[in-house]
Amino acid sequence: GEDVEQSLFLSVREGDSSVINCTYTDSSSTYLYWYKQEPGAGLQLLTYIFSNMDMKQDQRLTVLLNKKDKHLSLRIADTQTGDSAIYFCAEGGDTGRRALTFGSGTRLQVQP
Amino acid sequence: DAGITQSPRHKVTETGTPVTLRCHQTENHRYMYWYRQDPGHGLRLIHYSYGVKDTDKGEVSDGYSVSRSKTEDFLLTLESATSSQTSVYFCAIRITEGNSPLHFGNGTRLTVT
Repeated sequence: GEDVEQSLFLSVREGDSSVINCTYTDSSSTYLYWYKQEPGAGLQLLTYIFSNMDMKQDQRLTVLLNKKDKHLSLRIADTQTGDSAIYFCAEGGDTGRRALTFGSGTRLQVQP
Repeated sequence: DAGITQSPRHKVTETGTPVTLRCHQTENHRYMYWYRQDPGHGLRLIHYSYGVKDTDKGEVSDGYSVSRSKTEDFLLTLESATSSQTSVYFCAIRITEGNSPLHFGNGTRLTVT
């Protein structure tokens, strides 16, 4: 079955860039997603990338996709304390019936 | 706001009791999903639904059942709660047909003592 893996923890200083990495196994994944979860809240969609793209930029967020290595990364520029949260990578196929498969999440801690 | 309401937000129950969690959406979206979130496991799919009376199992469906008698409501039932079912439960919907992100409710924190 599908599997998505992430490192569990990342600590950065305010103002630095953060890079959160993810690997996945399902080569048929059509879209890959990044979600953010703040304490006590649900998951908020941050961004997503179609599998025929290598990069997507959205303000401070840059998503890089290496389809050959099945590797996805999320770069947050100028990381702020408000970016402290858990970040989930997820992959999904091209039919509405198919649910998303999530990684275990990366806890980002931003130190002032 | 995807118009998803989960109830209750918090519940404490005893082992062996039945529990039903409700997910309500306001916009008649077809696809609905139940996930559980546990430390170190991320989110794992329990059950999902493609429409009224049309449901299917996810990867961790043992001990859970679901019902969808109306488009707007997707119910998750623990027939006899166990301590291993202590978790945070999230409902999600898919807003458009075909490929699109899932949108999540705020979750229900369930504690089984």
